[in-house]
Amino acid sequence: NAGVTQTPKFQVLKTGQSMTLQCAQDMNHNSMYWYRQDPGMGLRLIYYSASEGTTDKGEVPNGYNVSRLNKREFSLRLESAAPSQTSVYFCASSEGPLNSGNTIYFGEGSWLTVV
Amino acid sequence: KQEVTQIPAALSVPEGENLVLNCSFTDSAIYNLQWFRQDPGKGLTSLLLIQSSQREQTSGRLNASLDKSSGRSTLYIAASQPGDSATYLCAVGRNNRLAFGKGNQVVVIP
Repeated sequence: NAGVTQTPKFQVLKTGQSMTLQCAQDMNHNSMYWYRQDPGMGLRLIYYSASEGTTDKGEVPNGYNVSRLNKREFSLRLESAAPSQTSVYFCASSEGPLNSGNTIYFGEGSWLTVV
Repeated sequence: KQEVTQIPAALSVPEGENLVLNCSFTDSAIYNLQWFRQDPGKGLTSLLLIQSSQREQTSGRLNASLDKSSGRSTLYIAASQPGDSATYLCAVGRNNRLAFGKGNQVVVIP
């Protein structure tokens, strides 16, 4: 039972390069999320997708774009990476809205370093 | 803006002692509160979810309480074990989003 799978696990980018973080869930969940975790800052929401075909900005969306490719997959793209985007990125999913008490499931994280 | 605070940031306890972790939040208009566990280099695992209408939830050795009016939640872990060593995060839910605290880093000493 894979749950939420993120790729790649580790990546080093040069400033200005672009890359896409991939996320897939096999739980038939409707909602998916991208968070970043930084020391001393906690987890912060970048973007989320309440259902297939919809995306919304979170707390820190600047410098990122997302695509909800289908119900299973939700990708995060850095168009022009900056050192401030060095972080650990987590993808997550839930069956339905978090307000309704749905459990959220996290992937294992992607460590991104921008030099 | 919702602020979630967890105190202490880090603590060590001898095996067998009960653990008490505190979480406070500034805006009491929440839908629910969740406690998560995070092991080093891993993602988060949901431990307990308390809806705003509830006062507590229990799962095995874990018990979480919620006092929404005072903006506080407490996670109790009974008879701690070395395997309980991890970071515990609290998150409050509103508008289908979660606001996270920075976590309590726990070490249980054998």
